[in-house]
Amino acid sequence: EPEVTQTPSHQVTQMGQEVILRCVPISNHLYFYWYRQILGQKVEFLVSFYNNEISEKSEIFDDQFSVERPDGSNFTLKIRSTKLEDSAMYFCASSEKALYNEQFFGPGTRLTVL
Amino acid sequence: AQSVTQLGSHVSVSEGALVLLRCNYSSSVPPYLFWYVQYPNQGLQLLLKYTTGATLVKGINGFEAEFKKSETSFHLTKPSAHMSDAAEYFCAVRHSGYSTLTFGKGTMLLVSP
Repeated sequence: EPEVTQTPSHQVTQMGQEVILRCVPISNHLYFYWYRQILGQKVEFLVSFYNNEISEKSEIFDDQFSVERPDGSNFTLKIRSTKLEDSAMYFCASSEKALYNEQFFGPGTRLTVL
Repeated sequence: AQSVTQLGSHVSVSEGALVLLRCNYSSSVPPYLFWYVQYPNQGLQLLLKYTTGATLVKGINGFEAEFKKSETSFHLTKPSAHMSDAAEYFCAVRHSGYSTLTFGKGTMLLVSP
């Protein structure tokens, strides 16, 4: 069964460093998403991506964040200069279509900023 | 803005007992509603969804949920809990015309023998 994969499963970084979280969506899906969950809080939407551009983004997704689909399979989230409050579980998701299709989630990357 | 409230961060039941996980949403327009489950070290898996039509929705693993517009609720139930149901459950809402999901904080279901 096709699934969304994410690497690494756990990333530890120093404050101020850049991190790149990687996701491989399901191959025939066209819409991609990043969500995050700070420990003990809600899963929050960050950004959606379609046709090589951002289609929606939340207030959380500021200039420190960027997304890219560098090739036909990967979808990445970059945080330019990490802050302590960026520590969270980051989930990638993909869907075949935008509005009426299920979003399939990856297992998440736990980011710890020290 | 839409929001989702899940009552109880932890719910404990005995094996064989009824499972009831509560979800209330706030929305000015009819939403699409979802329940996801997360097992340890795995991603979020869709249990069931309500879009339109029948308000009682059946999902995988014997779970079901009923959309009650008058109560703005979408509670998740299962008649008889199994040990394998122990996981974290998330209620989510999506509004028509938007693709993004708004999640609740999640409820951890604990099942004891």
